[in-house]
Amino acid sequence: NAGVMQNPRHLVRRRGQEARLRCSPMKGHSHVYWYRQLPEEGLKFMVYLQKENIIDESGMPKERFSAEFPKEGPSILRIQQVVRGDSAAYFCASSPTYNSPLHFGNGTRLTVT
Amino acid sequence: AQTVTQSQPEMSVQEAETVTLSCTYDTSESDYYLFWYKQPPSRQMILVIRQEAYKQQNATENRFSVNFQKAAKSFSLKISDSQLGDAAMYFCAYRRVIQGAQKLVFGQGTRLTINP
Repeated sequence: NAGVMQNPRHLVRRRGQEARLRCSPMKGHSHVYWYRQLPEEGLKFMVYLQKENIIDESGMPKERFSAEFPKEGPSILRIQQVVRGDSAAYFCASSPTYNSPLHFGNGTRLTVT
Repeated sequence: AQTVTQSQPEMSVQEAETVTLSCTYDTSESDYYLFWYKQPPSRQMILVIRQEAYKQQNATENRFSVNFQKAAKSFSLKISDSQLGDAAMYFCAYRRVIQGAQKLVFGQGTRLTINP
């Protein structure tokens, strides 16, 4: 049973470009979470989604950031018009139910130049 | 709001010895979970151990054990017989569940170095 798969592992974008981060949850998991880790800090919650629904986006910046988890395919975290402050590691996690332990992917490191 | 504090940015220990990492948290809830995660240089987040707040018995996983003091809101991790592979960042985390949604609140982390 493959774990949570995130790609790309590393992503470099120039300021003003768009970044798209992908996450395929573990098989049988319909709950997906995105966390952001700034350098030398712990992970911070961004958004929680179930299939086709955003349940809690209280940790998402109000502008430029969006997330989706379509009926078919991976969850996508999209960052428009990236700025240097968006440079971070972005982690996806999944769980089979809303209160089961989270399984984390290996993260995508986004570097904005 | 729940907060998690790890007061030791860095710790080091000799191989084969024991080390304890500290964590305190703040909450008004009575039922919750606490976790310790290990993050090696590969960046992978590895669950080390978890504790359910309603259980008085401290959780243990092989060389890893916790000292859970609910009244003091303290959740320390003890690593016995330290091995070189234990070197990593360690994060303490609190899990809250509100209206059918769970969130993990992480501490700032402790970087553990193992000296051979």
